Amino acid sequence: KQEVTQIPAALSVPEGENLVLNCSFTDSAIYNLQWFRQDPGKGLTSLLLIQSSQREQTSGRLNASLDKSSGRSTLYIAASQPGDSATYLCAVRTNDYKLSFGAGTTVTVRA
Amino acid sequence: NAGVTQTPKFRILKIGQSMTLQCAQDMNHNYMYWYRQDPGMGLKLIYYSVGAGITDKGEVPNGYNVSRSTTEDFPLRLELAAPSQTSVYFCASSRGTSGSGVEQYFGPGTRLTVT
Repeated sequence: KQEVTQIPAALSVPEGENLVLNCSFTDSAIYNLQWFRQDPGKGLTSLLLIQSSQREQTSGRLNASLDKSSGRSTLYIAASQPGDSATYLCAVRTNDYKLSFGAGTTVTVRA
Repeated sequence: NAGVTQTPKFRILKIGQSMTLQCAQDMNHNYMYWYRQDPGMGLKLIYYSVGAGITDKGEVPNGYNVSRSTTEDFPLRLELAAPSQTSVYFCASSRGTSGSGVEQYFGPGTRLTVT
């Protein structure tokens, strides 16, 4: 059974600092890994999807890496802003339909 | 293009009542999913469907039922609501083709409280 862990559970940084969010998974036989953003009381917004054959994906200030052999992914957010405050979820797809989610990292960026 | 829509946004149920959570998508996706998210936890899959008329159980199906009569709609039925079903429910959809580039798109969620 795929287990996905996100550490830390919460993170508080001053504005302008770079953010590093970690995700680990137990089964390396994955199709892809998705990073989502969730604002309080809202749904999930997909940020980046890394396919199993890829090592990283970038979108603007966001960069996500994937190391399948060690079961790890890292989401980097450069030059954080108060608007980046949210919960970030990592999800691993292990077959045609199933996503296994971590519990998330709640980020607070202080102005 | 509305994406994935869910109704209602909020609902309070008494123990033993029943209700249906509605989900619709306009992206012509074959695959649809229902998840629940409990406080401080990741999402868990309740049921999924790979096309009209085909549904299957996920990790936590007990206390729920689904049907899929059309490609667009995937309602989730709660029978005999219990306090343990207090949660936020998310519907999602994705393309039916296999492949590592396929991602899931999520609706805004329904916040359900059972008292």
